[in-house]
Amino acid sequence: AQSVTQLGSHVSVSEGALVLLRCNYSSSVPPYLFWYVQYPNQGLQLLLKYTTGATLVKGINGFEAEFKKSETSFHLTKPSAHMSDAAEYFCAVRGTGFQKLVFGTGTRLLVSP
Amino acid sequence: NAGVTQTPKFQVLKTGQSMTLQCAQDMNHNSMYWYRQDPGMGLRLIYYSASEGTTDKGEVPNGYNVSRLNKREFSLRLESAAPSQTSVYFCASIMNVGGYEQYFGPGTRLTVT
Repeated sequence: AQSVTQLGSHVSVSEGALVLLRCNYSSSVPPYLFWYVQYPNQGLQLLLKYTTGATLVKGINGFEAEFKKSETSFHLTKPSAHMSDAAEYFCAVRGTGFQKLVFGTGTRLLVSP
Repeated sequence: NAGVTQTPKFQVLKTGQSMTLQCAQDMNHNSMYWYRQDPGMGLRLIYYSASEGTTDKGEVPNGYNVSRLNKREFSLRLESAAPSQTSVYFCASIMNVGGYEQYFGPGTRLTVT
């Protein structure tokens, strides 16, 4: 079965610092991987996705993620944090069966001035 | 396009009461999903509908029923609410057949006392 592990339920950075949110996955099929962002009291919004092809994927708001098969990882990065990046971030992998996603437990990003 | 809409936004129920959460999408998507989000547990799939007229159980279906009324609408019913069903409920839909990118509604925050 597919699964996702997000290391760190909370990550704190200063404004302007590097953002690194970790995601490791387990999958019995070629993985499709996703990062979603959830701002307070809102639904989830897709940041970026990897299906096939280039392993470095760029998303919205300056975020990017690199698929590393040998490490079964799909970490999310942003060179310089902004206050508006404060949100909860979810990593997901496609599940078995019909068009399902399996989500990690989420990482809350806190950005301080 | 409104995307995925959910009603109500907030609801408080007493134990044993029933209610229906409504979800609609105007993107002509075939597949729709219901998730619940609980702190530290990420999103868990309750039910999904691959197409109009079909529904299937997800990871945590107990205590819930669903109806795919037409292609646009997918409702979630709690017949006899329990405090364990206090959660935030999200509806989502998939862009196309074979795809995995899900579009989410804004959520319904349900409290059962």
